[in-house]
Amino acid sequence: KAGVTQTPRYLIKTRGQQVTLSCSPISGHRSVSWYQQTPGQGLQFLFEYFSETQRNKGNFPGRFSGRQFSNSRSEMNVSTLELGDSALYLCASSLTGTGIYEQYFGPGTRLTVT
Amino acid sequence: AQKITQTQPGMFVQEKEAVTLDCTYDTSDPSYGLFWYKQPSSGEMIFLIYQGSYDQQNATEGRYSLNFQKARKSANLVISASQLGDSAMYFCAIDTGNQFYFGTGTSLTVIP
Repeated sequence: KAGVTQTPRYLIKTRGQQVTLSCSPISGHRSVSWYQQTPGQGLQFLFEYFSETQRNKGNFPGRFSGRQFSNSRSEMNVSTLELGDSALYLCASSLTGTGIYEQYFGPGTRLTVT
Repeated sequence: AQKITQTQPGMFVQEKEAVTLDCTYDTSDPSYGLFWYKQPSSGEMIFLIYQGSYDQQNATEGRYSLNFQKARKSANLVISASQLGDSAMYFCAIDTGNQFYFGTGTSLTVIP
């Protein structure tokens, strides 16, 4: 079974631009979660999608948004990029995301904002 | 509120020795899952082991075992027979059904 894939792997953007990151979960997994990882803040939960609906949301500004498609693939969008958005963005999929199934992570997208 | 606490920012262990990575958690939910992940320098998070709050036995997966003490709210990871490839960041996480909360991680270095 193929693992979680994320594209692109690396991205360099300028302040003020917007960016879209993509995540394809493991086949059969319906829950997709997004995380931001920085040296200072660690791993922070952004949001979780299940069956095309945002089920949970972390404490991030509205510039961070996402969506999930009918095939469970998910995209994350960040508008009006700030320098502090430079981070590793990790996507994780699980069967249902209910707390008894482990999450499987993709390799991440490393975003650099200049 | 901080849900997961990992008090050891860095640990060293001799190759072939065992090492324990500490994790304490805070939740009032009766049902939850505890997870450990490994993150090598490549960045990918690798699932290691899972313990359910109602599981009576401590979880084991190969060289990984989880020392689960529910009353103390601790879920320490034990790695036996350390290998050089075990050098990585290790994260403890809890899922109470709403979202995963990760600790700040412990950097493990295995010394040859």
